[in-house]
Amino acid sequence: EAGVTQSPTHLIKTRGQQATLRCSPISGHTSVYWYQQALGLGLQFLLWYDEGEERNRGNFPPRFSGRQFPNYSSELNVNALELEDSALYLCASSPRWANTEAFFGQGTRLTVV
Amino acid sequence: KNQVEQSPQSLIILEGKNCTLQCNYTVSPFSNLRWYKQDTGRGPVSLTIMTFSENTKSNGRYTATLDADTKQSSLHITASQLSDSASYICVVSGGGSQGNLIFGKGTKLSVKP
Repeated sequence: EAGVTQSPTHLIKTRGQQATLRCSPISGHTSVYWYQQALGLGLQFLLWYDEGEERNRGNFPPRFSGRQFPNYSSELNVNALELEDSALYLCASSPRWANTEAFFGQGTRLTVV
Repeated sequence: KNQVEQSPQSLIILEGKNCTLQCNYTVSPFSNLRWYKQDTGRGPVSLTIMTFSENTKSNGRYTATLDADTKQSSLHITASQLSDSASYICVVSGGGSQGNLIFGKGTKLSVKP
C-alpha cells in the first residue's frame, strides 16, 4: 500500500514568487494536514482539509492557502514568498474525523533565496 | 496554554546503551499521546500512540510510558543502535480532530559507535 506522497521533494524559489506543493494521501484517507518545520524548530500546524473543505487553520498569514481535490489529494500554495518561508513542509493524512495516528509524507524542502 | 515540552533538547549516547527521553504536557482536554521518530530531512514515523487509560506501550526496543495524572510521558530506548540517531517528537492530541495536535520540539538523539 502506498504511503503519503509529496512532490516535489525539493523546491527553490526567489523571494516574491509563488510556490505550489502537492500531497497525495493514503488510499481511503480523506483528511490531509499540512505542517511547516523550519530549521531547528518543531512542527507548526498550517492547514487541515477534509472532504474538500478547509476544517482548521494554524496561525499563519493568508498568503498560505491550499485546497483539496475530489480525489482527496491536496495542494499548498505559498504566495509572495519570504526568506523565512524556507522550511520542510510536511503533509499527513488520516481517515476522516478519526483521532488516530496521522501518517506523514517525506516532505518538500522549500528554499527561498 | 497548550504546550508540550521535551527534554533533553539533545543527547549523545554510545551504541548499545539505553536512554530515556522525557515529555511533559499541559494540553487539555487530553485524547492521546504519540511518539514519532524523525530522521533528518524526512517525515516523522509513528512509534507509539497511547490513550488516557494506557500506562505503557512497547514497539520493539522502544517503550513509552504515560502518567496522565502528572501529565508526563517517557520514551525508553533499549540497546541503542546507530540507526536510532534521529529526532524524537512527542505529540499530544487535544481531541476532536487532528488539527488539535500539539507538537513538542523534539529531542535530537545521536548514537555513537
